Amino acid sequence: GQNIDQPTEMTATEGAIVQINCTYQTSGFNGLFWYQQHAGEAPTFLSYNVLDGLEEKGRFSSFLSRSKGYSYLLLKELQMKDSASYLCALNDYKLSFGAGTTVTVRA
Amino acid sequence: GAVVSQHPSRVICKSGTSVKIECRSLDFQATTMFWYRQFPKQSLMLMATSNEGSKATYEQGVEKDKFLINHASLTLSTLTVTSAHPEDSSFYICSAMGLAGNSGNEQYFGPGTRLTVT
Repeated sequence: GQNIDQPTEMTATEGAIVQINCTYQTSGFNGLFWYQQHAGEAPTFLSYNVLDGLEEKGRFSSFLSRSKGYSYLLLKELQMKDSASYLCALNDYKLSFGAGTTVTVRA
Repeated sequence: GAVVSQHPSRVICKSGTSVKIECRSLDFQATTMFWYRQFPKQSLMLMATSNEGSKATYEQGVEKDKFLINHASLTLSTLTVTSAHPEDSSFYICSAMGLAGNSGNEQYFGPGTRLTVT
């Protein structure tokens, strides 16, 4: 298997920065996705990393290091609406998801 | 662009009956659609990969005779849960992958269907 690991829960304050780590144990994949999922809804696309390095998109950034089997999603200037589950997924034509990290943003 | 719809959004059925869930790509052609199941507080688990005009490929542990998948056109795939039981109650999500050069390799997710079997 790909053993995709994410922390279960994280809590942060509005306006702060939170980093969600994702580690995996596979070498053969096309890229790594990050999705946001609110309770009872389908995942929505946040970012996709193919090459090593940092991809920045507004308040959200994602980093990939294939050699270290590691990715992270960085959420800046947290807002209350960012409270959600964040899923990393390895793309090998099919998607393999991590269990998700529930982020709670507090005022 | 790249909108995927699912119908119904919620369904309650009695144990032993069958339920059909539709997944449609509204503004692009989807050669491949994926069906996922998500139990509460768990991640999405891929059930099967559906290619237009051919039989679906099921993941290990998923009963193909219980979860019937039909991908009859480039915009529609259906999942039928046959002889549903309470343990089949879950959130079922489909995703659609576009043709190369259209939406590339990205999967677009439907809004999900909440199935409750009583």
